[in-house]
Amino acid sequence: DAKTTQPNSMESNEEEPVHLPCNHSTISGTDYIHWYRQLPSQGPEYVIHGLTSNVNNRMASLAIAEDRKSSTLILHRATLRDAAVYYCILLEYGNKLVFGAGTILRVKS
Amino acid sequence: DAGVIQSPRHEVTEMGQEVTLRCKPISGHNSLFWYRQTMMRGLELLIYFNNNVPIDDSGMPEDRFSAKMPNASFSTLKIQPSEPRDSAVYFCASSPKTGGSTEAFFGQGTRLTVV
Repeated sequence: DAKTTQPNSMESNEEEPVHLPCNHSTISGTDYIHWYRQLPSQGPEYVIHGLTSNVNNRMASLAIAEDRKSSTLILHRATLRDAAVYYCILLEYGNKLVFGAGTILRVKS
Repeated sequence: DAGVIQSPRHEVTEMGQEVTLRCKPISGHNSLFWYRQTMMRGLELLIYFNNNVPIDDSGMPEDRFSAKMPNASFSTLKIQPSEPRDSAVYFCASSPKTGGSTEAFFGQGTRLTVV
């Protein structure tokens, strides 16, 4: 399984943007970059995914480096409800969604 | 759609007893996944099915664990006999198709405690 590296934890102030980094230097050409998050006491929740181009949706933006060896999940205005564990995952055609340790995001009011 | 439905939400059982966890995927989804989450090991993929067929069960910890998907709308994860180290939150997820561009939808989980 292709591997990703994320910081263990990050902290943000409420109402400010948050940039969550992910390194995936061994990414292959067919791997999609997925982000999920897990709120306390809940199951993981899909956030966003992309292949080569930057992506935006109502929850977040995904910025993908030109060489695809890293990506950044951007929350434009963090709220207390965004406090969660954020997982960066490489997903290939086989559909095997494998979670790493993720980044614990803390949001301060 | 009500989303992925898991039952029970909580289960407490004695060591040695059989435990069956249930999952109803989202209608029309053809992939189903079982995960286990503990503080020590994080989220582990146990097994996944495509079109009701087990594709990869390499994450199943040992023979005490078994999973079935008799039809597209139901799956079970069985532990027999259960042990205290099986205590964890078990998640079921489904996705509409195979492929890297597909998102998965998770249930609320079953918290299993084996005493």
